[in-house]
Amino acid sequence: KAGVTQTPRYLIKTRGQQVTLSCSPISGHRSVSWYQQTPGQGLQFLFEYFSETQRNKGNFPGRFSGRQFSNSRSEMNVSTLELGDSALYLCASSKVAYEQYFGPGTRLTVT
Amino acid sequence: LAKTTQPISMDSYEGQEVNITCSHNNIATNDYITWYQQFPSQGPRFIIQGYKTKVTNEVASLFIPADRKSSTLSLPRVSLSDTAVYYCLVDQAGTALIFGKGTTLSVSS
Repeated sequence: KAGVTQTPRYLIKTRGQQVTLSCSPISGHRSVSWYQQTPGQGLQFLFEYFSETQRNKGNFPGRFSGRQFSNSRSEMNVSTLELGDSALYLCASSKVAYEQYFGPGTRLTVT
Repeated sequence: LAKTTQPISMDSYEGQEVNITCSHNNIATNDYITWYQQFPSQGPRFIIQGYKTKVTNEVASLFIPADRKSSTLSLPRVSLSDTAVYYCLVDQAGTALIFGKGTTLSVSS
């Protein structure tokens, strides 16, 4: 069974630009969650989608947004990038809420 | 804000049993205790989850006392490949996992 895939794996952007990250969940998983991981703040929950609806949201500014498609694939978008947005962005899918399967992440560098 | 407290780091040698204790004094009745493992530059991996007493799977055991204010993850006979960060989470079976700082386990030969 294929795991969670994320594209791209690495990305370099300039301050002020926007970026879109993609996540394909494990087949049959309808919940997709996004997390940001930085050395300073650790792993932080961004938001969760289930059946194309945002079901839960973390404490991040409105520049961070996401969506989920009918095939459960999800995208997250960050607009007006700031240096502090440099991080590893992780996507996780689940069938049972507490058992989330994480992808390899997208390493975003903002210069 | 993480609801758990764990040691920042632990050291062990190959072949030893490692016990990582997590404190969660304010655990709610509906909370489950879940442990994840994370290797550098990878996403966390689910290890084990429990509500009370003892749970065992092919990777680890989880011991939870009756008051549920703490839990202990037990890794039998660790190897170098068990070097990772281990996170203890309490969660109401929801999907917004709250990760703390975790415990960095270093296994030496």
